[in-house]
Amino acid sequence: EAGVTQFPSHSVIEKGQTVTLRCDPISGHDNLYWYRRVMGKEIKFLLHFVKESKQDESGMPNNRFLAERTGGTYSTLKVQPAELEDSGVYFCASSRDTYYGYTFGSGTRLTVV
Amino acid sequence: AQSVTQLGSHVSVSEGALVLLRCNYSSSVPPYLFWYVQYPNQGLQLLLKYTSAATLVKGINGFEAEFKKSETSFHLTKPSAHMSDAAEYFCAVSDQGSNYKLTFGKGTLLTVNP
Repeated sequence: EAGVTQFPSHSVIEKGQTVTLRCDPISGHDNLYWYRRVMGKEIKFLLHFVKESKQDESGMPNNRFLAERTGGTYSTLKVQPAELEDSGVYFCASSRDTYYGYTFGSGTRLTVV
Repeated sequence: AQSVTQLGSHVSVSEGALVLLRCNYSSSVPPYLFWYVQYPNQGLQLLLKYTSAATLVKGINGFEAEFKKSETSFHLTKPSAHMSDAAEYFCAVSDQGSNYKLTFGKGTLLTVNP
């Protein structure tokens, strides 16, 4: 089966601009998660979708971040406007309805300059 | 709240030597524990997981980890390091009540010297 696909793999934007990250989960995986690793820090949970519904968005840093999941398929994470501290690697992961382990994507490295 | 501590941000071993990466956790409920590996320019790959079955868990690529409740530890070992094991390793914890949300440690970068 195809894995979790994220794009772009890298993005460099200026402070104040908008960036949209996309994640395509494994087909049939209802659970979709976003995580972020800021340089030098641990990987941190951002939010969790079950199908198209946000199950838990307790990790979203602030209202500059907006996540959507269209029709329970792919998901987007928009940062608007981007700030320097948003730089990091954004990971997406998916899993089936009963837990047996996530499959992570390769991540999107976001650099805000 | 759950937390994970990985002792040593950087571990260096010689090829053929024992690999030991340390992980301690805190959790208010029986946890699920995981080790993930990230090779350069790749995503996170699950090495192994503990979900309250056998305390000694075997994973891929010859790695294993032992859950020790009394020590709140889940250290990762491999008897003989290969050059291809060079990567960053992450310990993580979750529980069912959190919808399997993972709490990660800061990661340990493993270097294997020839």
